[in-house]
Amino acid sequence: EVQLVESGGGLVEPGGSLTVSCVGSGFAFSNDWMDWVRQAPGKGLEWVGRIKSKSGGGTAQYAAPVKGRFSISRDDSKNTLYLQLNSLTTDDTGVYYCTRDRPGYNPYFDCWGQGALVTVSS
Amino acid sequence: YDLTQPPSVSVSPGQTASITCSGDELGKKYPSWYQQKSGQSPVLVIHESDKRPSGIPERFSGSNSGNTATLTISGTLPMDEADYYCQAWDINTAVFGGGTKLTVL
Repeated sequence: EVQLVESGGGLVEPGGSLTVSCVGSGFAFSNDWMDWVRQAPGKGLEWVGRIKSKSGGGTAQYAAPVKGRFSISRDDSKNTLYLQLNSLTTDDTGVYYCTRDRPGYNPYFDCWGQGALVTVSS
Repeated sequence: YDLTQPPSVSVSPGQTASITCSGDELGKKYPSWYQQKSGQSPVLVIHESDKRPSGIPERFSGSNSGNTATLTISGTLPMDEADYYCQAWDINTAVFGGGTKLTVL
């Protein structure tokens, strides 16, 4: 069974930093591109960014609101995806989901984790 | 790039629900659809405009033409009550629609 499990959410003050992790199981993690999607309280889904597989180049791409503040990385030896959040503002509060990115003309997200809640507040 | 969905759609049990998603030349972008029930993570219900993942009931179908994609739920059940999001890519950025709350009553 394909499974994604996030951890590392929590309460952080504005301007602070936090790292959220996601462990994948039941699939060849190293072969897949992985994404982060977030959801502010009571709001819709917002794409945060993605990281390609090593064979695909291993590079990351980011949404405009987080570019330069957030960093996505992966450790394929641990089947783990990371999201480093820096210079946080209250607008970054929400649930952060890791997803598996399936290739295609319009890549889609076929598996989602349970989400990690990040609260930015003083 | 913007994807526009109606904020809410209501349907009676057993009837057909249609949820639209509009965007510039969306017919060329093969959108996906996600279902999110209250307090749960999203679930993929349609990908590449009209493909249904394994495990998704046949009552879910998708179509896409011109500037509009449509998610259709035939014979809607009370368990289908949820928020539905369309999603497409534009210049290496994934874009989600604002979501449609489907009420089954």
